[in-house]
Amino acid sequence: SAVISQKPSRDICQRGTSLTIQCQVDSQVTMMFWYRQQPGQSLTLIATANQGSEATYESGFVIDKFPISRPNLTFSTLTVSNMSPEDSSIYLCSVDRPGLAGGDTQYFGPGTRLTVL
Amino acid sequence: EDQVTQSPEALRLQEGESSSLNCSYTVSGLRGLFWYRQDPGKGPEFLFTLYSAGEEKEKERLKATLTKKESFLHITAPKPEDSATYLCAVQAATSYDKVIFGPGTSLSVIP
Repeated sequence: SAVISQKPSRDICQRGTSLTIQCQVDSQVTMMFWYRQQPGQSLTLIATANQGSEATYESGFVIDKFPISRPNLTFSTLTVSNMSPEDSSIYLCSVDRPGLAGGDTQYFGPGTRLTVL
Repeated sequence: EDQVTQSPEALRLQEGESSSLNCSYTVSGLRGLFWYRQDPGKGPEFLFTLYSAGEEKEKERLKATLTKKESFLHITAPKPEDSATYLCAVQAATSYDKVIFGPGTSLSVIP
């Protein structure tokens, strides 16, 4: 498994401001993933972050809105920019750990609950 | 298009009443199917990974099985502490890192 921590655990923000969420892993990983979980919904992948390269964003998510940093193999940040109430969600980071038969299992952090007023 | 559906959307059980949750998937080559448990306001907690049809995994009151088109999470004699949302997810052979999640089944176990 993996020990993953996120900061902050929750925040209430004003419309138009930005929030940076931090994710720290207990060991070095190549890939880190950022997900969004809107109220009552399942998880949607925002982007994949490789150390030393630009993050890869999924359809519907753009770098200007969700800039990501990956300065080393144990840490990443996700910024939610120019927030609106529609950005109110839980934001989760995750990492891969190798499983059997060549597959990988993703382990998740505790999440950051964001409320935008 | 790779897709994951889950049923039922919500399930209410009496303590001790066994049941099964379903996860149906359409994927171009399955690398792995995952089950997670998620408590309100928390991140998903990993339960099982299944890789091939016929495979089964067990953990306490939970047993996960896999066929070529679906997976079942069997809950035997559930307790109130089993109440949570159970998420199914798949990883396709054509998208090495990407994991697609289903909508989840919200389970309530009543004492």
